[in-house]
Amino acid sequence: DSGVTQTPKHLITATGQRVTLRCSPRSGDLSVYWYQQSLDQGLQFLIQYYNGEERAKGNILERFSAQQFPDLHSELNLSSLELGDSALYFCASSVKGYSPLHFGNGTRLTVT
Amino acid sequence: AQTVTQSQPEMSVQEAETVTLSCTYDTSENNYYLFWYKQPPSRQMILVIRQEAYKQQNATENRFSVNFQKAAKSFSLKISDSQLGDTAMYFCAFGGYALNFGKGTSLLVTP
Repeated sequence: DSGVTQTPKHLITATGQRVTLRCSPRSGDLSVYWYQQSLDQGLQFLIQYYNGEERAKGNILERFSAQQFPDLHSELNLSSLELGDSALYFCASSVKGYSPLHFGNGTRLTVT
Repeated sequence: AQTVTQSQPEMSVQEAETVTLSCTYDTSENNYYLFWYKQPPSRQMILVIRQEAYKQQNATENRFSVNFQKAAKSFSLKISDSQLGDTAMYFCAFGGYALNFGKGTSLLVTP
């Protein structure tokens, strides 16, 4: 158990809808990362927060947004969903930059 | 741009044998970390081994070791005495604040 909690485990929704994925980092970790893993693909970095502030941005679509709250949990909001957004979304946390990432079990999003 | 290349999409090894997975990367940074992660069929991402770029000594973790060649920007993973439970997708990753991942190598360990 990595200590990183992601909810929900599975999410099925229709095109055009909006969903929110939630992540609670490991106790003591200040950094939260979001990654997208599409079928048979590696992990694409979306965004990173450190202690409530955005630290780095990857290939995150404008339809996607995220935030990290004062209690350090994070939410990833996906809107105007398209079929191509179907993927496994991972949250990871670390104490700080240059530290190993500890991954949650992911949220499997299916857009129909 | 920082890129990671894993040139072997699939590999197979017999139980108890040794296998080496390749990884190359491209960066203009001088200070970074490198990692190998394992993703078994359960889809969990599990840290296998970590290497700091400023360290010349190759990291070792039980049956797992790396061959880090900084000048060549190469970071290969050697798995010794392969076990059935090593069957998984293996991802090479490097970076600082955020990690860049390769597309992975699917490793099958056969009896």
